[in-house]
Amino acid sequence: GAGVSQSPSNKVTEKGKDVELRCDPISGHTALYWYRQSLGQGLEFLIYFQGNSAPDKSGLPSDRFSAERTGGSVSTLTIQRTQQEDSAVYLCASSLDGSYEQYFGPGTRLTVT
Amino acid sequence: AQSVTQLDSQVPVFEEAPVELRCNYSSSVSVYLFWYVQYPNQGLQLLLKYLSGSTLVKGINGFEAEFNKSQTSFHLRKPSVHISDTAEYFCAVTRSGGSYIPTFGRGTSLIVHP
Repeated sequence: GAGVSQSPSNKVTEKGKDVELRCDPISGHTALYWYRQSLGQGLEFLIYFQGNSAPDKSGLPSDRFSAERTGGSVSTLTIQRTQQEDSAVYLCASSLDGSYEQYFGPGTRLTVT
Repeated sequence: AQSVTQLDSQVPVFEEAPVELRCNYSSSVSVYLFWYVQYPNQGLQLLLKYLSGSTLVKGINGFEAEFNKSQTSFHLRKPSVHISDTAEYFCAVTRSGGSYIPTFGRGTSLIVHP
């Protein structure tokens, strides 16, 4: 079956512009995660959605970052007024309810110039 | 809170040689442990996990890891590596019975030379 997909695969934007990154999880997966991976760093947790519960936003680095998940499926991560330090690979993952195994998408490489 | 230390940022090894990638964690509560692999330009894939039971865990692609509670370690091993094992490897930890959000280490780049 289809895995987790993310779009776009690459995004180059100018400093100060807003960007939207999309994640399509595996069908039937109720949990969805966003991570940021910077060069030479591990994965930094950003936000976690589980079913209809309020999302865990504890990892969002600033109020310029937000995310939503519509209909319990597709998720969009929005970064407003992008800064150069936002340049990174943004990874999305999904999992079944109650499972610790996460399935990752290929990521979106964001470059802020 | 949990933390993970991957002691080696890069491990070069020749094909067919054994390899060990080290991972140590810090936590005041019981934990679950994971190893993920990331091939170039791809997302992460779960290699193996320790939730409970036997401390020796076998995963995909011939990898195994051993949970050592006294040394707070979860080192990844393979007796004979292939060129295709060249990738980034991440150790991760989460609080058992609690959050599903793992804390990741910074990763170890395994480079297999012919």
